Amino acid sequence: GENVEQHPSTLSVQEGDSAVIKCTYSDSASNYFPWYKQELGKGPQLIIDIRSNVGEKKDQRIAVTLNKTAKHFSLHITETQPEDSAVYFCAASSSNFGNEKLTFGTGTRLTIIP
Amino acid sequence: ETGVTQTPRHLVMGMTNKKSLKCEQHLGHNAMYWYKQSAKKPLELMFVYSLEERVENNSVPSRFSPECPNSSHLFLHLHTLQPEDSALYLCASSQGRGNQPQHFGDGTRLSIL
Repeated sequence: GENVEQHPSTLSVQEGDSAVIKCTYSDSASNYFPWYKQELGKGPQLIIDIRSNVGEKKDQRIAVTLNKTAKHFSLHITETQPEDSAVYFCAASSSNFGNEKLTFGTGTRLTIIP
Repeated sequence: ETGVTQTPRHLVMGMTNKKSLKCEQHLGHNAMYWYKQSAKKPLELMFVYSLEERVENNSVPSRFSPECPNSSHLFLHLHTLQPEDSALYLCASSQGRGNQPQHFGDGTRLSIL
């Protein structure tokens, strides 16, 4: 089955600087890669996703890049703000049609230092 | 209400109790999921319902019993739980299963005494 590894487990960044979180996956057939943000006491919230036919996707201060050859994808947050502090999860979805399921990474706790 | 709503938010129960977790989605989705979230572990998929039919049971012990009476509601019935079952239980929904975005509720924090 799919295996997703996520690094780092914790990350502290000065407000205004950029943050990068990296994930690798094992199943070369995986084709959907969402990123979730989880704040304290809340459920995971989808912030951006990318499909395997695209190499990069941006949404304001957030971007995701995908390298299918190396089987890794990354989340980039620019101009970080205190409200970006949260736990971030990457995930990869298997491509078995009709039986797709998400495999999650172990999460990165991002702290923005004012 | 919008989104995915889970009740109760917190639940403390003894090992011999029977309780149920409830999830309701107001997004018009047709697939619903139960996940278990434990500290320092990835989210674990427990059950998947698509068009009210259970399509996946991820080797979950029989002390967890899901029910999906319609496409908007999902229950997780609990009985004779163990201390290691203490965790955050998350419900999610999506429009179809084909690699579609999943929307999560805020979870039920379950503590087994």
